[in-house]
Amino acid sequence: AQSVTQLDSHVSVSEGTPVLLRCNYSSSYSPSLFWYVQHPNKGLQLLLKYTSAATLVKGINGFEAEFKKSETSFHLTKPSAHMSDAAEYFCVVSDRNFGNEKLTFGTGTRLTIIP
Amino acid sequence: SQTIHQWPATLVQPVGSPLSLECTVEGTSNPNLYWYRQAAGRGLQLLFYSVGIGQISSEVPQNLSASRPQDRQFILSSKKLLLSDSGFYLCAWSVRTALQFGQGTRLTVV
Repeated sequence: AQSVTQLDSHVSVSEGTPVLLRCNYSSSYSPSLFWYVQHPNKGLQLLLKYTSAATLVKGINGFEAEFKKSETSFHLTKPSAHMSDAAEYFCVVSDRNFGNEKLTFGTGTRLTIIP
Repeated sequence: SQTIHQWPATLVQPVGSPLSLECTVEGTSNPNLYWYRQAAGRGLQLLFYSVGIGQISSEVPQNLSASRPQDRQFILSSKKLLLSDSGFYLCAWSVRTALQFGQGTRLTVV
């Protein structure tokens, strides 16, 4: 069985300050991990993915995430927040052996950027 | 490049009416196709997925059905909508890669 926990339902940061969105996962097998972003009334856009290569993964829009097996974490970070980063972010885990049919989504973290 | 089209963007339907949401993918062949539902303030729930024409797997029992009449076309249907069918419906595709999502359909059943 696999699961994913997004530790904060809502995060607020000031524009220009760092962003940290936390995600912990549980997986019986070798996981693939993803971060998606969703702007209001829009579909989900892939930010980045980890699939067993480098543990530090760089994504679009300046975001990156680090896979830490010992901590079962995959936190999303960005050095400097921009107003356009305001959105809902989803951490997703999949069992690499079963593919996309076994994705588990977190409940999301709403990121608010304070001008 | 690959693109996914989903329509309509918004839909308001009365209880008991039928539903048809359509999704098409361009620029790829034999994709896996998915229908998700996102209820207000909640995560995504997988409704159906398909690995080929006519092959549909249902994840949860519900008032909905799905069909894949062509390789790159995926349709979500209902014969009679319920109030609880309201939500944001997302189509997605993949070919040995991460899921790519459509823009979604906001369905309100009144």
